[in-house]
Amino acid sequence: GAGVSQSPSNKVTEKGKDVELRCDPISGHTALYWYRQSLGQGLEFLIYFQGNSAPDKSGLPSDRFSAERTGGSVSTLTIQRTQQEDSAVYLCASSSQTVNTEAFFGQGTRLTVV
Amino acid sequence: AQSVTQLGSHVSVSEGALVLLRCNYSSSVPPYLFWYVQYPNQGLQLLLKYTTGATLVKGINGFEAEFKKSETSFHLTKPSAHMSDAAEYFCAVMPPSGGFKTIFGAGTRLFVKA
Repeated sequence: GAGVSQSPSNKVTEKGKDVELRCDPISGHTALYWYRQSLGQGLEFLIYFQGNSAPDKSGLPSDRFSAERTGGSVSTLTIQRTQQEDSAVYLCASSSQTVNTEAFFGQGTRLTVV
Repeated sequence: AQSVTQLGSHVSVSEGALVLLRCNYSSSVPPYLFWYVQYPNQGLQLLLKYTTGATLVKGINGFEAEFKKSETSFHLTKPSAHMSDAAEYFCAVMPPSGGFKTIFGAGTRLFVKA
């Protein structure tokens, strides 16, 4: 696609429910990143994919968080048993295989846990 | 491990005044360096980047940044602030080899006063 697409743009869920956030990267981009941006906070790295594998998932806050990527394209971030502290904007970005290229960001998914 | 420090979570300038946003990094080798901007309710977009070559880098909207290896800094400047520059600015680093993980600073919110 022309840009990184994330869905849904907004999600309100009840505490304890599971949610899935989707990211469609730019076509041909092999690197894909998930970040979390909480109110008043910077970007918190969650996980990074190279192709379908995740060389670095060190930023996932707990085992309630998981992510997968299929076909070297679409990625899904899943949060199980959501908690209020999970409320944030979840940003996805992608970049090409070439080193030193910038990451292109989607508009994010605003997650609110009530 | 690489890290990025942005000095000042909030910076306020008058319209027409110099903008200076500070960024220092920690890395065993000089990384690739980026500045991103996030306008209200929008995703991040690249302002400028340094990879190799000339240490003074010019970006969009009149911004520029200078890579100073001796100071491990990559401060962002603009000679004359405009109201439309009000946004959040993020400094980011990427290792020059061996991976594409981008680490972001906490961000600096720029306020421009009329």
